[in-house]
Amino acid sequence: DGGITQSPKYLFRKEGQNVTLSCEQNLNHDAMYWYRQDPGQGLRLIYYSQIVNDFQKGDIAEGYSVSREKKESFPLTVTSAQKNPTAFYLCASSMSLAFQDTQYFGPGTRLTVL
Amino acid sequence: AQSVSQHNHHVILSEAASLELGCNYSYGGTVNLFWYVQYPGQHLQLLLKYFSGDPLVKGIKGFEAEFIKSKFSFNLRKPSVQWSDTAEYFCAVNAIDSSYKLIFGSGTRLLVRP
Repeated sequence: DGGITQSPKYLFRKEGQNVTLSCEQNLNHDAMYWYRQDPGQGLRLIYYSQIVNDFQKGDIAEGYSVSREKKESFPLTVTSAQKNPTAFYLCASSMSLAFQDTQYFGPGTRLTVL
Repeated sequence: AQSVSQHNHHVILSEAASLELGCNYSYGGTVNLFWYVQYPGQHLQLLLKYFSGDPLVKGIKGFEAEFIKSKFSFNLRKPSVQWSDTAEYFCAVNAIDSSYKLIFGSGTRLLVRP
């Protein structure tokens, strides 16, 4: 089955720790995205990547970092600099960044900072 | 800046009632429009999309949406809801001059009572 997988589903972190969220896709999509979802606020773009070894900041990149070493993988690291990291994180992908390309979403990771 | 407004944050309906969820966006140029749905415990799924052509778009599970350019609106409708339609619904827009960026509304939680 083609799709986007994210792991883990639930993640708990102590304050001051960095944590990495996994996102893998087997759709052969070039573009990948990370969003953060908070209650009552919809989704906000953290980072996006057009192609391997290239990525750009979205609207709320502070306290986050990403890498794109392989086409199918786009891990997100939530660093200790992120002031309010507890949220639901969604990874998405699309064929490219072109206007006509639809974004498809993974199942999400719920991060809780204790 | 572009924005998307969903005016109904919570909607409660009985089964067989008709549904209309409002979505308005602020951008004067060419846009793509989307409705995504998030069922309880499931990932965000594409319900329907408008790129061009017929402004009345039909999606999965009997949903449809109408693009009214003069009103900057893309309202979602279903003539007769079912208990299984209980979910959170997100309207999203991307504009031709920032094609990578999906702007999401804050979402509408729909509860359908059996």
